[in-house]
Amino acid sequence: DIQMTQSPSTLSVSMGDRVIITCRASQSISSWLAWYQQKPGKAPKLLIYKASTLESGVPSRFSGSGSGTEFTLTISSLQPDDVATYYCQQYDSYGTFGQGTKVEVK
Amino acid sequence: QVQLQESGPGLVKPSETLSLTCAVSGYSISTGYYWAWIRQSPGKGLEWIGSVWHGGSTYYNPSLRSRVTISLDTSKNHFSLKLNSVTAADTAVYYCARSGLGSPYNWFDPWGQGTQVSVSS
Repeated sequence: DIQMTQSPSTLSVSMGDRVIITCRASQSISSWLAWYQQKPGKAPKLLIYKASTLESGVPSRFSGSGSGTEFTLTISSLQPDDVATYYCQQYDSYGTFGQGTKVEVK
Repeated sequence: QVQLQESGPGLVKPSETLSLTCAVSGYSISTGYYWAWIRQSPGKGLEWIGSVWHGGSTYYNPSLRSRVTISLDTSKNHFSLKLNSVTAADTAVYYCARSGLGSPYNWFDPWGQGTQVSVSS
């Protein structure tokens, strides 16, 4: 099984801050990684796939990078609508998710 | 656009079978793509349960394979999940989603709104 570990678990930031979330895979997954945003009571929403490809309609302040075992999701300038929990998901073998990173406002 | 909607009982008794259906609108499931079930619980987080190819081939999470069946009904444009011998550990929000092309292991988009299923006597 490929394990996905996200850090940090919680991020307390201010509006306009740059936000960086890290996701590590227990073995190489090439670029087979997706990022999702989830708000309370809602389903996850796809933001990025293939590590760095922005899903249509997702604001350009979101970006993804990395390959192999280390990946990052960056929000260039946090907006109120970005307060949510973010998950990474590998799809190199089956599909496993990270435990989530909650982004909250200080 | 493609929309998915889960339906089924919200309460299932231990040892019984959990049965859910995902109705798809805006796209014919017989045309293409993989179609997936995913669940989310406070204890285990997000967990892929399995996927079905538009041609009917199925792919399951090894940890659930012995208890899961996913099937398509192209005449009704929906797909279904059956999970047998449920326990309290199967209590979760269950989501259906469209998966990608080309591989059963892919990202998920879009998702249904989710349905809460509790296992309790």
